[in-house]
Amino acid sequence: GDSVTQTEGPVTVSESESLIINCTYSATSIAYPNLFWYVRYPGEGLQLLLKVITAGQKGSSRGFEATYNKETTSFHLQKASVQESDSAVYYCALGHDTNAYKVIFGKGTHLHVLP
Amino acid sequence: EAAVTQSPRNKVAVTGGKVTLSCNQTNNHNNMYWYRQDTGHGLRLIHYSYGAGSTEKGDIPDGYKASRPSQENFSLILELATPSQTSVYFCASAPPGRSAETLYFGSGTRLTVL
Repeated sequence: GDSVTQTEGPVTVSESESLIINCTYSATSIAYPNLFWYVRYPGEGLQLLLKVITAGQKGSSRGFEATYNKETTSFHLQKASVQESDSAVYYCALGHDTNAYKVIFGKGTHLHVLP
Repeated sequence: EAAVTQSPRNKVAVTGGKVTLSCNQTNNHNNMYWYRQDTGHGLRLIHYSYGAGSTEKGDIPDGYKASRPSQENFSLILELATPSQTSVYFCASAPPGRSAETLYFGSGTRLTVL
């Protein structure tokens, strides 16, 4: 089936350290999946962090980046130097190419950035 | 600014009671969604809608109804609330299209059923 697996949290890093949150997907029923990273800051709803719809492309936003790797079915989120304000829950998501309602979310990774 | 607004922000209900969660969007998006988020699970789709008057079952619709009286409003209704429905509920909207588009979320409703 279609699924998303991401790093189990909580993940704790110190400010200015690098970060990687792993995300792998299975898209058995989706020919051309769209891949998303959403972020949920405390007290807020989820918001799009970045989106990539073409394999081999990289998305970037707010210093975060992720590359859509079809060979390894991965979409890892990386940041070279985190800030305390990056503390949030990060969700990897897989979108269907022909069924708009079909978005599959990972369980979320809680990131704590220490000052 | 376009937004998705949910109400109430927090709700405590009793088992067997009726609960209505409301969602309003100013994005003028055709598609709207209701998800729930529980620890250890990703967001799971309860109901969705393609436009006013339409509601469709998502992946976990049992125990829930939905209503889309207008483009802007989409409600989730628990006719007989149970403790297993204690969760955080998110409403979202998205523009129309065949493929999955960016979802715009509300801030969530935390529901506790005692």
